[in-house]
Amino acid sequence: NAGVMQNPRHLVRRRGQEARLRCSPMKGHSHVYWYRQLPEEGLKFMVYLQKENIIDESGMPKERFSAEFPKEGPSILRIQQVVRGDSAAYFCASSPFRLRDEEKLFFGSGTQLSVL
Amino acid sequence: SQQGEEDPQALSIQEGENATMNCSYKTSINNLQWYRQNSGRGLVHLILIRSNEREKHSGRLRVTLDTSKKSSSLLITASRAADTASYFCATDAKDNYGQNFVFGPGTRLSVLP
Repeated sequence: NAGVMQNPRHLVRRRGQEARLRCSPMKGHSHVYWYRQLPEEGLKFMVYLQKENIIDESGMPKERFSAEFPKEGPSILRIQQVVRGDSAAYFCASSPFRLRDEEKLFFGSGTQLSVL
Repeated sequence: SQQGEEDPQALSIQEGENATMNCSYKTSINNLQWYRQNSGRGLVHLILIRSNEREKHSGRLRVTLDTSKKSSSLLITASRAADTASYFCATDAKDNYGQNFVFGPGTRLSVLP
């Protein structure tokens, strides 16, 4: 049973380009969370999605950032016109249900985005 | 400010010693979880404690929760070099049930051989 798969592992972009980060949740998981982590800091919540629905995007910047989790295929976090401040590690986590007692998050290994 | 905040920010101990990390939070919670992150990797779930529990054990881990003080502690006994990692607490706010977890900035633990 494969865990949460994120790719690419490392992504280098020049300012103004687009970055697409992909996340395949664990088998049977229909809830996906995206977090961002700056060096030596904790994880900052960005967006929570179920299949075909955005449930909570309160942590995601209104401009340039978007996320989707289609019926088929991985969840995508898309950053348009990247700037140097977007450089960070982006982690995806999944869970089988809406989080409640005894539920925990399963994390991928992250995508390290570097903007030159 | 953050819902969960760990202290100390960094902790360095000798192998075999115990390591204690603390977490404080601000709002009422349903549960509190501790995660571990090795350098360059994703987080791995360690232990969950519910708001109606005061203490929980899992192997060499012991977690306490004091809801009156809005704080939790993680104790790792008989530490090993392999315990070197960052440790994060995460809270599931009572009024935000299941929407997302809020993570603290973490404690970086170094266990020296």
